[in-house]
Amino acid sequence: EAGVAQSPRYKIIEKRQSVAFWCNPISGHATLYWYQQILGQGPKLLIQFQNNGVVDDSQLPKDRFSAERLKGVDSTLKIQPAKLEDSAVYLCASSLGSEQYFGPGTRLTVT
Amino acid sequence: QKEVEQDPGPLSVPEGAIVSLNCTYSNSAFQYFMWYRQYSRKGPELLMYTYSSGNKEDGRFTAQVDKSSKYISLFIRDSQPSDSATYLCAMDRGSNYKLTFGKGTLLTVNP
Repeated sequence: EAGVAQSPRYKIIEKRQSVAFWCNPISGHATLYWYQQILGQGPKLLIQFQNNGVVDDSQLPKDRFSAERLKGVDSTLKIQPAKLEDSAVYLCASSLGSEQYFGPGTRLTVT
Repeated sequence: QKEVEQDPGPLSVPEGAIVSLNCTYSNSAFQYFMWYRQYSRKGPELLMYTYSSGNKEDGRFTAQVDKSSKYISLFIRDSQPSDSATYLCAMDRGSNYKLTFGKGTLLTVNP
């Protein structure tokens, strides 16, 4: 069974630029999550999708972050404009039930 | 007070030692308790998943939950250098599979 795929693995941008991350969940997993993991911290949930609908986006900074999951499969997370404090690893996870499977993450550095 | 508290370590032990990792939580609504292992530059992977108070064993790993004290533990017996990683506790209210993570404890097992 293929795991959760994410790209790119690494991204360096300057502040005020925009960036997008892509996630392909495990086939058949209805629920998809985006997490932000700052160095030395645990993952923090940004947004949760059930199929192509948003279940929870209460911790998503909506003035600069957006996410979509078209057709209930792949998802993209966008940051526009980026701030220095957005430097983190962005993890995508998917699940059928309670067990979440994580991708390798995208490491974003904002300079 | 954070919902989930976890000592970030770092923790360094010799090979073969018994390791004890702990988390406390303040929200009694948490019903499901998980331990994830995260190797450097990788996504978290699920190690243990428990619901009720008591112990759950899987090979060299034992997860312990004490709901009355709001305290969970992960024990690793006969620790190996390959166990060197960050260990994250995570908790879920059980309603929509939304996880709250601890900060993670960095463990190094020295050969």
